[in-house]
Amino acid sequence: GAVVSQHPSRVICKSGTSVKIECRSLDFQATTMFWYRQFPKKSLMLMATSNEGSKATYEQGVEKDKFLINHASLTLSTLTVTSAHPEDSSFYICSARGQGAREQFFGPGTRLTVL
Amino acid sequence: AQSVTQLGSHVSVSEGALVLLRCNYSSSVPPYLFWYVQYPNQGLQLLLKYTSAATLVKGINGFEAEFKKSETSFHLTKPSAHMSDAAEYFCAVTGGGFQKLVFGTGTRLLVSP
Repeated sequence: GAVVSQHPSRVICKSGTSVKIECRSLDFQATTMFWYRQFPKKSLMLMATSNEGSKATYEQGVEKDKFLINHASLTLSTLTVTSAHPEDSSFYICSARGQGAREQFFGPGTRLTVL
Repeated sequence: AQSVTQLGSHVSVSEGALVLLRCNYSSSVPPYLFWYVQYPNQGLQLLLKYTSAATLVKGINGFEAEFKKSETSFHLTKPSAHMSDAAEYFCAVTGGGFQKLVFGTGTRLLVSP
């Protein structure tokens, strides 16, 4: 089946630093990738949608200059949290969808803790 | 536009009992519906999906769901709960044109011995 990986699974950083999270589709070409944020005991909030080779489309209220998304290839998308602050601490999950597919396959998530 | 309502943030059952997790949707176009399961500190795993074919959909781990257009529902059921079914369950909907997934708020299933 379709497998999506994320790296790292956990990251702890100091306030003011930047953190990059990678999302990879391992056995299919992901024309579209999605980035979600999940607060404790809450549902997933879509942050942005990225299509390979195009700029990401951000959801209302998500700062595009703070959450930089790059989807440079059909198997890799990255989310960079710039100048992270404690309120950015959260569980970040990516998903990927192949061309012509309706189903999204989810990565295992990345737990970000900003001290 | 699409939306999903999951009734009950927590559902508790005994091992071996019927599991019923409720999901009602709203969609301005024919919907595609999904149930996902999430274990602690993990991503989402697809349980099953409805994509306008059979209204009774069977998924993994013995789960199934029935699409009822007249009731705008897509409830998830399993005849006999296992301890390993304890997790968070999310219902999600998307419309035509490969729109984004809209998730419900989730239901935590608790299974007691």
